[in-house]
Amino acid sequence: SQTIHQWPATLVQPVGSPLSLECTVEGTSNPNLYWYRQAAGRGLQLLFYSVGIGQISSEVPQNLSASRPQDRQFILSSKKLLLSDSGFYLCAWSFSLSGANVLTFGAGSRLTVL
Amino acid sequence: KQEVTQIPAALSVPEGENLVLNCSFTDSAIYNLQWFRQDPGKGLTSLLLIQSSQREQTSGRLNASLDKSSGRSTLYIAASQPGDSATYLCAVRHSGNTPLVFGKGTRLSVIA
Repeated sequence: SQTIHQWPATLVQPVGSPLSLECTVEGTSNPNLYWYRQAAGRGLQLLFYSVGIGQISSEVPQNLSASRPQDRQFILSSKKLLLSDSGFYLCAWSFSLSGANVLTFGAGSRLTVL
Repeated sequence: KQEVTQIPAALSVPEGENLVLNCSFTDSAIYNLQWFRQDPGKGLTSLLLIQSSQREQTSGRLNASLDKSSGRSTLYIAASQPGDSATYLCAVRHSGNTPLVFGKGTRLSVIA
């Protein structure tokens, strides 16, 4: 069976510091991978998605970047955090192309920028 | 651009009631629709997925329907329990390889 791991679970960072959130998927190959952000009182916002190694699509201009150095690894980064980067970050995966395409989420990483 | 709306934003019901959560989407050309549950501070758990060719899906006390032509889906919860208290999110996918677009969710409280 497939599992998704996301860490760290909680992070408190000062403004201007770097960020690295990591997500890995086990039990499948060539998954589609996604990073979402959920800000307080707002819906889920898609930040990045990837259909393969080194292939990153950005949905919104922002202070963040994503990388996929390995097939089942997806990393969300920032060089200098802003206060507005605070939120709940969720990694997710789905099978690629056809099929049920059920989206499965990790447990989330709560980021507080002070 | 696809927009997903969920009404109501919050709902409080006594235990045992049957209830309906609504989801509407602006572009009816969807690939599938998925309902999720999110407990406070947690990730999302998939409840039901309906392909565009299907009308409904059932899992236990949950039943999700899809009317693609009118851009609507409903999630029916039978005999609600306090453990059903959570935020329920609806999301649609335009094609097989495109990301889901989410609504803002309905926050459900079931009072014992």
